[in-house]
Amino acid sequence: DAGVIQSPRHEVTEMGQEVTLRCKPISGHNSLFWYRQTMMRGLELLIYFNNNVPIDDSGMPEDRFSAKMPNASFSTLKIQPSEPRDSAVYFCASSLLAGAKGEQYFGPGTRLTVT
Amino acid sequence: QQQVKQSPQSLIVQKGGISIINCAYENTAFDYFPWYQQFPGKGPALLIAIRPDVSEKKEGRFTISFNKSAKQFSLHIMDSQPGDSATYFCAAIAGAGSYQLTFGKGTKLSVIP
Repeated sequence: DAGVIQSPRHEVTEMGQEVTLRCKPISGHNSLFWYRQTMMRGLELLIYFNNNVPIDDSGMPEDRFSAKMPNASFSTLKIQPSEPRDSAVYFCASSLLAGAKGEQYFGPGTRLTVT
Repeated sequence: QQQVKQSPQSLIVQKGGISIINCAYENTAFDYFPWYQQFPGKGPALLIAIRPDVSEKKEGRFTISFNKSAKQFSLHIMDSQPGDSATYFCAAIAGAGSYQLTFGKGTKLSVIP
């Protein structure tokens, strides 16, 4: 199994630009998570999808952030417009079952730098 | 509000020594406590986990000790190796069907030869 795939691995963009991060979950997993990791705040859950439906988006910082999951094998996290404070590592994770406690499989992450 | 407090922030251990990372929680609804290991440039990966009905769980060189009354749990790495150098996160999750992992801030472990 290839694991969770994220692209790009690194993204450098200027403030105000649109950024789109992509994720392919593990085949057969029906839960997908987007996390943000920073030194100050650690790992934060941004949004959780189950069976392609957003269940909990309470962690999305503000309206500049949006996420979609058009099918079971693809999800995007979009930031528009981006700001320097969005600089972080963004992880996508998937799990086999909703509520599969702790058994979330993380991708390698996208390191975003907004200048 | 940080619901899982992790210490120390960083730890240096000599090869062959014991690494100990501690976590404390506040939410008594937490009922599953996983530990994640993260290498540089990689995502976190589940290492070992424990439920509060047991006081200890061991997998190879890794042991979780759990003290329900004190609301504390810890990870012990026996015979620490340079390959164990990574950042370790404790986490907690509550209730049947839950998906929300609450992570500690992480401990950067360096095992020196």
